[in-house]
Amino acid sequence: AQSVTQLGSHVSVSEGALVLLRCNYSSSVPPYLFWYVQYPNQGLQLLLKYTTGATLVKGINGFEAEFKKSETSFHLTKPSAHMSDAAEYFCAVKGRTGSNYKLTFGKGTLLTVNP
Amino acid sequence: GAGVSQSPSNKVTEKGKDVELRCDPISGHTALYWYRQRLGQGLEFLIYFQGNSAPDKSGLPSDRFSAERTGESVSTLTIQRTQQEDSAVYLCASSLAAGGGPDTQYFGPGTRLTVL
Repeated sequence: AQSVTQLGSHVSVSEGALVLLRCNYSSSVPPYLFWYVQYPNQGLQLLLKYTTGATLVKGINGFEAEFKKSETSFHLTKPSAHMSDAAEYFCAVKGRTGSNYKLTFGKGTLLTVNP
Repeated sequence: GAGVSQSPSNKVTEKGKDVELRCDPISGHTALYWYRQRLGQGLEFLIYFQGNSAPDKSGLPSDRFSAERTGESVSTLTIQRTQQEDSAVYLCASSLAAGGGPDTQYFGPGTRLTVL
């Protein structure tokens, strides 16, 4: 069975600073990995996903993530935080459980951006 | 195009009452998922439907929870005899297909359920 661990339930950065949100996973091979963002009182929106091929994945709003198989990590980064990035971020892995494929989410990381 | 829609957006009910939550998936999406999100928690898988196959109900927390889907259209999640611990945001998502591919799940805005 797959699992996702997001290190840090709350991350606070200053506007313009680097954003780093950590995600480690366990899954059967090959894993498909996702980052979603949830703004207050809204559903989840896909930021980016890793399927196969290039390990550095670029997403929307200037975010990117790097798949590191040796570290079983898929950390999300953005070079310069903007106030509008304040939201909750969820890492997810898709893998096989029995005969079905499930998307398993981490508990989320709340990002606050200080002016 | 239209995204996933859910209704109602908010529902307040008394303990012991039944509630019904509705999800309209994106047209053409054969897979539909229900999740529960409790305050400060991640998403908890409840159930998914894939076309005409038998649904995967492995995430339903008790027999008070049930869901139906007619073909590849609307789905309803029903909670009978609601309890205070059922208070949560219920999210619906749809995708082109389930299975082992990397299909993206598209989420609705959720229904916030409060059980008094």
